[in-house]
Amino acid sequence: EAGVAQSPRYKIIEKRQSVAFWCNPISGHATLYWYQQILGQGPKLLIQFQNNGVVDDSQLPKDRFSAERLKGVDSTLKIQPAKLEDSAVYLCASSYRASQPQHFGDGTRLSIL
Amino acid sequence: QQQVKQSPQSLIVQKGGISIINCAYENTAFDYFPWYQQFPGKGPALLIAIRPDVSEKKEGRFTISFNKSAKQFSLHIMDSQPGDSATYFCAASVVGFQKLVFGTGTRLLVSP
Repeated sequence: EAGVAQSPRYKIIEKRQSVAFWCNPISGHATLYWYQQILGQGPKLLIQFQNNGVVDDSQLPKDRFSAERLKGVDSTLKIQPAKLEDSAVYLCASSYRASQPQHFGDGTRLSIL
Repeated sequence: QQQVKQSPQSLIVQKGGISIINCAYENTAFDYFPWYQQFPGKGPALLIAIRPDVSEKKEGRFTISFNKSAKQFSLHIMDSQPGDSATYFCAASVVGFQKLVFGTGTRLLVSP
């Protein structure tokens, strides 16, 4: 079984620029999550999708972050404009159902200059 | 109240020794307590999980001990191996694996 795929693996941008991350979950997984992991901290949930609908985006900074999951499969997370404090690893995870264990991708490491 | 406090921040154990990582929580609504292992450059991987109706769960060399009255739980790694060197996160959730709240992580180094 192929794991959760994320791209790019690394991204370096300047503050105030925009950036997008892509996630392809495990085939058949209905639930998809985006997490932000700042260096030295545990992952923090940003948004949870069930199929293509948003279940929880209470911790997503909506003034600059947006996410979508078209057709209930792939998902993109966008930051516009980026701030220095957005430097982190952005992890995508998926699960067969919301009550099932989450499988994480290897993340995208974002550095803001 | 949504926090999960984890200690120690880092841990060095000799090969063959026991590694112990502790976590504490405040929210009594948490009903699922998983532990994740993360290697550098990789995403977290589920190691073992426990529900509050059980005081202990063992899988191979990994054991979770759970103290509901103290609102604490811990991970014990028996016969620690260099390959166990990684960062370990405890987590808690209110609804199964949803809305996971992670601890701050423990960096474990097992010396040969």
